[in-house]
Amino acid sequence: QVQLQESGPGLVKPSETLSLTCTVSGASISSSSYFWGWIRQSPGKGLEWIGSIYFIGTTYYYNPSLNSRVTISIDTSKNQFSLILSSVTAADTSVYYCARLEGTYHVLDSWGQGTLVTVSS
Amino acid sequence: EIVLTQSPGTLSLSPGERATLSCRASQSVSSSYLAWYQQKPGQAPRLLIYAASSRATGIPDRFSGSGSGTDFTLTISRLEPEDFALYYCQQFGSSLTFGGGTKVEIK
Repeated sequence: QVQLQESGPGLVKPSETLSLTCTVSGASISSSSYFWGWIRQSPGKGLEWIGSIYFIGTTYYYNPSLNSRVTISIDTSKNQFSLILSSVTAADTSVYYCARLEGTYHVLDSWGQGTLVTVSS
Repeated sequence: EIVLTQSPGTLSLSPGERATLSCRASQSVSSSYLAWYQQKPGQAPRLLIYAASSRATGIPDRFSGSGSGTDFTLTISRLEPEDFALYYCQQFGSSLTFGGGTKVEIK
């Protein structure tokens, strides 16, 4: 049973960089059948796709509205992948989820529990 | 970017009733790439339906999906108490997008 767990600071100052890591257990992040993605949800709002990465390090399907500020990376030796979002503002305050993106139907079949990141001085 | 519009925003029903949720796309979506999720307060979303009509592992058969092109539907045949939640549709095209959600609440 695959499990995903987000970790990182819960508070980031405006204009600084948000950095989160997702640790995967119960499955290999090097599987060729899956991508690994990030999604966020502002308080009381809907889901917003951020982007995904494949085990060889190729990134896919970045949200155009965030593209210039987002970097997703992967560390297969640690079974982890990471999100960096630069120049954050209060609008980036959200619960951030990591998830596994199944490669045939492109659905998010396993999710982390989510972590709240607040942007505030 | 394909925009998904879900309706209604809120659906007020009683346990045992039938729920019909709509997801309309701004352009045609491959049925292979249309999914539905359920989200309860304080929890991550859970995959219900993939490829428009296939139930994910462990999902009860009271949940069904249908549709093609730009119009898709999630139906819950008889609402159980645990089904009152938020529901999102999701598509994959050149990128991945979600609908705005439908809240199914107890009447």
